[in-house]
Amino acid sequence: DAGITQSPRHKVTETGTPVTLRCHQTENHRYMYWYRQDPGHGLRLIHYSYGVKDTDKGEVSDGYSVSRSKTEDFLLTLESATSSQTSVYFCAISARGGSTDTQYFGPGTRLTVL
Amino acid sequence: DQQVKQNSPSLSVQEGRISILNCDYTNSMFDYFLWYKKYPAEGPTFLISISSIKDKNEDGRFTVFLNKSAKHLSLHIVPSQPGDSAVYFCAASARGGTSYGKLTFGQGTILTVHP
Repeated sequence: DAGITQSPRHKVTETGTPVTLRCHQTENHRYMYWYRQDPGHGLRLIHYSYGVKDTDKGEVSDGYSVSRSKTEDFLLTLESATSSQTSVYFCAISARGGSTDTQYFGPGTRLTVL
Repeated sequence: DQQVKQNSPSLSVQEGRISILNCDYTNSMFDYFLWYKKYPAEGPTFLISISSIKDKNEDGRFTVFLNKSAKHLSLHIVPSQPGDSAVYFCAASARGGTSYGKLTFGQGTILTVHP
């Protein structure tokens, strides 16, 4: 199994509060991704990183920001959480980032915004 | 606009029989396709993939077929086992210098294999 951990695994928060989710990898992979999973939508890409301090937006990036100060850590921040951000969040990594490179996923964080 | 679609939300199969999961896509730039399996409270696990230069890829009990003209792929599991019960996601990635391997997922199909 790829060495990917996510923290926290579960979180309940209130609308308007800031939330930061952490993804940590031990594989030294260059590429890291944040997805959210919602019923009827599968997984959708929020943001991704192609190196330290190099990040870009995915298809559902509004309301989210990311940071990557070290190869092993990729942080996802909800600046002011809303109920529509209640979801399961998955981090993924890949070695080369090419279209044929397999992504490996972490165990997920279940976030509930009340 | 859903570029990758799994039109069957669920599939029920008897143990030992074949399971066929289907996936359709609309973006002709997709050149690599993957299937992931997901158990409850776990992350998706990579199962099998296929490049657009092939029409079939096999790995043990799992075979993926790609029909580029129909923009359709399918995953066959033979024989199906109760441990195969999970959600199966189809995913696709597009060629291009700045794609960075971004995956587009289908909605998932819940497979239940009955003993």
